Amino acid sequence: DAGVTQSPTHLIKTRGQHVTLRCSPISGHKSVSWYQQVLGQGPQFIFQYYEKEERGRGNFPDRFSARQFPNYSSELNVNALLLGDSALYLCASSLFGGKSSYNEQFFGPGTRLTVL
Amino acid sequence: KQEVTQIPAALSVPEGENLVLNCSFTDSAIYNLQWFRQDPGKGLTSLLLIQSSQREQTSGRLNASLDKSSGRSTLYIAASQPGDSATYLCAPPGPGNTPLVFGKGTRLSVIA
Repeated sequence: DAGVTQSPTHLIKTRGQHVTLRCSPISGHKSVSWYQQVLGQGPQFIFQYYEKEERGRGNFPDRFSARQFPNYSSELNVNALLLGDSALYLCASSLFGGKSSYNEQFFGPGTRLTVL
Repeated sequence: KQEVTQIPAALSVPEGENLVLNCSFTDSAIYNLQWFRQDPGKGLTSLLLIQSSQREQTSGRLNASLDKSSGRSTLYIAASQPGDSATYLCAPPGPGNTPLVFGKGTRLSVIA
């Protein structure tokens, strides 16, 4: 079975541009979460979607938005890019969207975004 | 607010040693906790999931323990190998619907 997939692998943008990152969850998983990881830090939670609805949002500005499609894949959009948005963007999928002790998160390989 | 601290920040050991990585968290009202491994520039690989009702979970040479009351988890790696070199991250869930909260991790180097 394929794991979580993300595209593109790498991306270079300039300040002020817009970017769209994509994620496909493990087959059968209905929840997708997005995380930002800057160099030397642990990942930081951005969004969680479950059954196409937003279930959680981290402390990120409104320039960040996301959505989940009927096939449970997801897009993360970032507008008006800043230098500080340069990071590894990670997507995780899980079976459930709620607080279940069985709810294991599985991560994709990430998208490396560089903003110049 | 959930805050995660991992000690030590970095660790270098000779091959074959047994080692312990420590994780502490501030909000003990958790339903599970995961340990991950991350190779440089790569995504996270799930190593172990400990449910809140469990005290230990084992996978091969890895053993993780959880003490909710004290806000601590430890990852024990037996007979370390150079291939174990990576950053290890523990992640309990956060408040509300935050699935995971991470610390900065422990960067492990196993020297052959």
